Amino acid sequence: GENVEQHPSTLSVQEGDSAVIKCTYSDSASNYFPWYKQELGKGPQLIIDIRSNVGEKKDQRIAVTLNKTAKHFSLHITETQPEDSAVYFCAASPYGGSQGNLIFGKGTKLSVKP
Amino acid sequence: DSGVTQTPKHLITATGQRVTLRCSPRSGDLSVYWYQQSLDQGLQFLIQYYNGEERAKGNILERFSAQQFPDLHSELNLSSLELGDSALYFCASSAPGTENTEAFFGQGTRLTVV
Repeated sequence: GENVEQHPSTLSVQEGDSAVIKCTYSDSASNYFPWYKQELGKGPQLIIDIRSNVGEKKDQRIAVTLNKTAKHFSLHITETQPEDSAVYFCAASPYGGSQGNLIFGKGTKLSVKP
Repeated sequence: DSGVTQTPKHLITATGQRVTLRCSPRSGDLSVYWYQQSLDQGLQFLIQYYNGEERAKGNILERFSAQQFPDLHSELNLSSLELGDSALYFCASSAPGTENTEAFFGQGTRLTVV
């Protein structure tokens, strides 16, 4: 089955710097790659997603890139702010249209220091 | 607020016992997913229901079962509980169709088995 690896497990940056989190997946049939942010005591919240027919997607300070050949995708956060501090999860969906059956990476704890 | 409601928020029970976790999906969503989040295993997909029918199964133990009722709320039943079942259990829901099927997560139920 699908396996998603996520790196790094922890990331500390200064406010204003950029943060990059990388994920690899194993199943070439996966076609949907969301990123979730989880704050303490809350459920994961979708922040951006990308589908396999797109190489890059941007939403304000957040961007995601996908390399299907290499089976990896990355989250880029620019001009980080303290409120970006949270655990970020990448995920992949190997089930086509049933895109809620997500296989998650182990998460990256991002700390943004003021 | 994602619109997905989970009850209870916290649950403490003894080994060998049985508990029921409840989830009300967002209005209009037909799919309900259950995930388990533990420190060592991360977020793991357990099971999906779509409009009352089981749609997909993940790493769900035989001691666990779920169902989705005609009003679309779902319950996850955990029996013969073990210490290792202590975890956060999340419910997510998504709209019908193959497009825009973002999974919205609830706040979770924290289960502690003592």
